[in-house]
Amino acid sequence: DTGVSQDPRHKITKRGQNVTFRCDPISEHNRLYWYRQTLGQGPEFLTYFQNEAQLEKSRLLSDRFSAERPKGSFSTLEIQRTEQGDSAMYLCASSLESGIGYEQYFGPGTRLTVT
Amino acid sequence: GNSVTQMEGPVTLSEEAFLTINCTYTATGYPSLFWYVQYPGEGLQLLLKATKADDKGSNKGFEATYRKETTSFHLEKGSVQVSDSAVYFCALRHSGAGSYQLTFGKGTKLSVIP
Repeated sequence: DTGVSQDPRHKITKRGQNVTFRCDPISEHNRLYWYRQTLGQGPEFLTYFQNEAQLEKSRLLSDRFSAERPKGSFSTLEIQRTEQGDSAMYLCASSLESGIGYEQYFGPGTRLTVT
Repeated sequence: GNSVTQMEGPVTLSEEAFLTINCTYTATGYPSLFWYVQYPGEGLQLLLKATKADDKGSNKGFEATYRKETTSFHLEKGSVQVSDSAVYFCALRHSGAGSYQLTFGKGTKLSVIP
C-alpha cells in the first residue's frame, strides 16, 4: 500500500491557462474525494466519486472545474481559464466504504499558484 | 449546515506541557468526529476519531471525547513533545445517507519548544 499520490506536487501557471491534476488513490478504495485548502483555512470539499460515478459536487466547483474518474481508479481535476483566486492546495483523498471503516486517507496535495 | 469551530492559534507550549485544543461543532443528527494532523511538508493524517456520543478516540497519547451535550470534541495530550509540532484540524462527517464529505475547522498550529 503506497498511499494516495498526487501529481504534480507544485504547479505555477499564468492566469487564463488550463491545468490538470492527477490523483491515484489507494488501490481497492472505491471512493475518491477532492478538497481545496487555502492558506490559513481547513480543507473545503469539492466533489467525490464512488467508483467512476461523480455523486456529489460542492457549489465551490464552478463550471470552470471538471473532475473525472474514468475507470474508477485514478482521477483528474481540470481547471479551465485559471484565475488568481484558484491559487490553493488541491487535496485528494480516498476511502473504502464498508461496514468496518470509512476513514479518508489524504494525499500530499498539489499546490497551484496562478500568476 | 454543518460547521466546525476550533480555537485559533498559534499555540506555543514547552515540552511536557499539557495540551488542549478546543473544537465545537454544529450539525444535525449524529455526525462522526475526527482530528487530523498535518506535519510540516506532509499531507493530512487521521489522528483519531469517534463515531457516537461519549466515545473516546485516542492515538499517540492524544485523546478526544465526543460530547453531544456540549457539541464538543476537544483534543488533549498530557505531555507534548517537540515532534507534536504541527497543524491540527477538527472535522466532522455527517451521518445522513449519501453525505460523505468532511467539514473541517480552520486548523490550530501547535509549536512545541524544548
